[in-house]
Amino acid sequence: DAGVTQSPTHLIKTRGQQVTLRCSPISGHKSVSWYQQVLGQGPQFIFQYYEKEERGRGNFPDRFSARQFPNYSSELNVNALLLGDSALYLCASSLMGLAQYEQYFGPGTRLTVT
Amino acid sequence: AQTVTQSQPEMSVQEAETVTLSCTYDTSESDYYLFWYKQPPSRQMILVIRQEAYKQQNATENRFSVNFQKAAKSFSLKISDSQLGDAAMYFCAYRSDPLNSGGSNYKLTFGKGTLLTVNP
Repeated sequence: DAGVTQSPTHLIKTRGQQVTLRCSPISGHKSVSWYQQVLGQGPQFIFQYYEKEERGRGNFPDRFSARQFPNYSSELNVNALLLGDSALYLCASSLMGLAQYEQYFGPGTRLTVT
Repeated sequence: AQTVTQSQPEMSVQEAETVTLSCTYDTSESDYYLFWYKQPPSRQMILVIRQEAYKQQNATENRFSVNFQKAAKSFSLKISDSQLGDAAMYFCAYRSDPLNSGGSNYKLTFGKGTLLTVNP
């Protein structure tokens, strides 16, 4: 089975622009989470979606938004980009939103803001 | 809020030897899950091992085992017979039990990571 896929792999944007990152979960997985990993740090939780509803949100500004589609894929949107938004954005999927189900991570999207 | 601390930014080990990576966490919850993830230079985060807080027995997965000390809030990872492919960034992570957190707190809280180098 294919793992979690993310697109694009790399992205370069300018301050003030908007960006959309995409994630396709493992087939059958209904929960998707997004994490931001700044260089040299551990990932930080941004959002979790389960059955197309937001189930959790981390400490990120309203410039960050996300949604989940009927096929359980997800998009993360970031508006008014700042230099500090430069990071690896990781998507993780799980079978259900319950804690005992493992989260499987995608390869990430490397966003560079100049 | 829960916090996870990895006090060793870098560790090195000789091939075939054993190394232990440290992790401590802070929580007021009694039920939770702990994980060790591996992130090789290719970036894909891979689950290495997990531990449920209600289980007293330490988890083991082949060459990987944990020492879970609930009272001390310590969760170390031991890698035996280290291999070159074990070289990676290792992250300790905490996850609440949503049944005890009012609903849907499924997020993982990560430490800053430990970079493991394996020397041939």
